[in-house]
Amino acid sequence: QSVLTQPPSASGTPGQRVTISCSGSSSNIGSKTVNWYQQLPGTAPKLLIYSNDQRPSGVPDRFSGSKSGTSASLAISGLQSEDEADYYCAAWDDSLNGRWVFGGGTKLTVL
Amino acid sequence: EVQLVESGGGLVQPGGSLRLSCAASGFSFDDYAMYWVRQAPGKGLEWVSGISWNSVTLGYADSAQGRFTISRDNAKNSLYLQMNSLRAEDTALYYCAKGYYGDYASSISWFDPWGQGTLVIVSS
Repeated sequence: QSVLTQPPSASGTPGQRVTISCSGSSSNIGSKTVNWYQQLPGTAPKLLIYSNDQRPSGVPDRFSGSKSGTSASLAISGLQSEDEADYYCAAWDDSLNGRWVFGGGTKLTVL
Repeated sequence: EVQLVESGGGLVQPGGSLRLSCAASGFSFDDYAMYWVRQAPGKGLEWVSGISWNSVTLGYADSAQGRFTISRDNAKNSLYLQMNSLRAEDTALYYCAKGYYGDYASSISWFDPWGQGTLVIVSS
């Protein structure tokens, strides 16, 4: 059971917009920034969004992040086949002496 | 180019020990926090441990506390994870990752980049 809750799967057709949610609590998302990681099949995770809504250089502006209260969202517009991957949210959690926590991951399928 | 290369994984019996290493290059290693994150086969990401730039502060997930020890050698640009009393549930791909800040517990930090991982299999 992950501290941050994500839907296990999401899907969309090319060109569509999809969103992936990440739900937490006051000890993590509610008071901390959220980061998102993309893991393409068979590869290491890669930073996709940091500090809730910031894109590292090289990440297309089709990817965007937002946060409200104890939830965060990742939106992908103009969906492309190469976006098919696992997506993870992460944040610092103040409970239990402090720790980094991840969502369980969302497998995005491009139909 | 920032690069992280893990090594030291392998097959070990339950109760055994293993020491993972992560060789860093392309950045000022002694300025940044470093982390270990693992991924069991077919499962999601799990933070294992983190260490600040100067080794003064460090932390562990509950699953690692008391069994794993994180350390770093800034002179050698290397991060380590000593794993003792290994269990079947420790079987995973272990990634090292660089933090954006020097404090491993900086809540505004993130992990970037990640290495390619080293596989640990705990089985008899």
